[in-house]
Amino acid sequence: GAGVSQSPRYKVTKRGQDVALRCDPISGHVSLYWYRQALGQGPEFLTYFNYEAQQDKSGLPNDRFSAERPEGSISTLTIQRTEQRDSAMYRCASSLEQGGIYEQYFGPGTRLTVT
Amino acid sequence: GQQVMQIPQYQHVQEGEDFTTYCNSSTTLSNIQWYKQRPGGHPVFLIQLVKSGEVKKQKRLTFQFGEAKKNSSLHITATQTTDVGTYFCAVRLDSNYQLIWGAGTKLIIKP
Repeated sequence: GAGVSQSPRYKVTKRGQDVALRCDPISGHVSLYWYRQALGQGPEFLTYFNYEAQQDKSGLPNDRFSAERPEGSISTLTIQRTEQRDSAMYRCASSLEQGGIYEQYFGPGTRLTVT
Repeated sequence: GQQVMQIPQYQHVQEGEDFTTYCNSSTTLSNIQWYKQRPGGHPVFLIQLVKSGEVKKQKRLTFQFGEAKKNSSLHITATQTTDVGTYFCAVRLDSNYQLIWGAGTKLIIKP
């Protein structure tokens, strides 16, 4: 596609349920990032993939959060046993990482609400 | 860890007035990026600066990187309603590819 896509755009789930958020990056982009963004704040880093390798997961809040990118393209962020504090906008971004320019292209985000 | 301080948090201007946001770091930066996020939208990359004293322009937007590479600014001349949004600076760490984001400056056009 032309840009980064994320699905679903909105997800309402009950506390204790598991959710899976999908990111489809721009074709050919090596790097993929997951962020969480609270209203009125900047993106908060969660995890980073280089191709299929998860290079950095230092931003994942706890072990209920995990992410994978098995074929180096589509990525899934999974939150197990969701809690109300997990409610936020989850954003994915991809980057070509070439030529010294590291601009990140963001998807529209998934708005997660845990009730 | 690396932190980037961005000020002001908000700036209210009349349409046609100028707008400036600043980012500061206590340590030397290898690069700085600027993004714009419209209300309800996602961050969109504007520019990357890497050289000491670098100045780049995009129409009414002027981006500067300080001589010591510890600060950067974004200046908008003669703001228009299309400029409304939040402007973020972000620093890419060389060690692990993370982007460290400033808190953002929200540009508000007074009615």
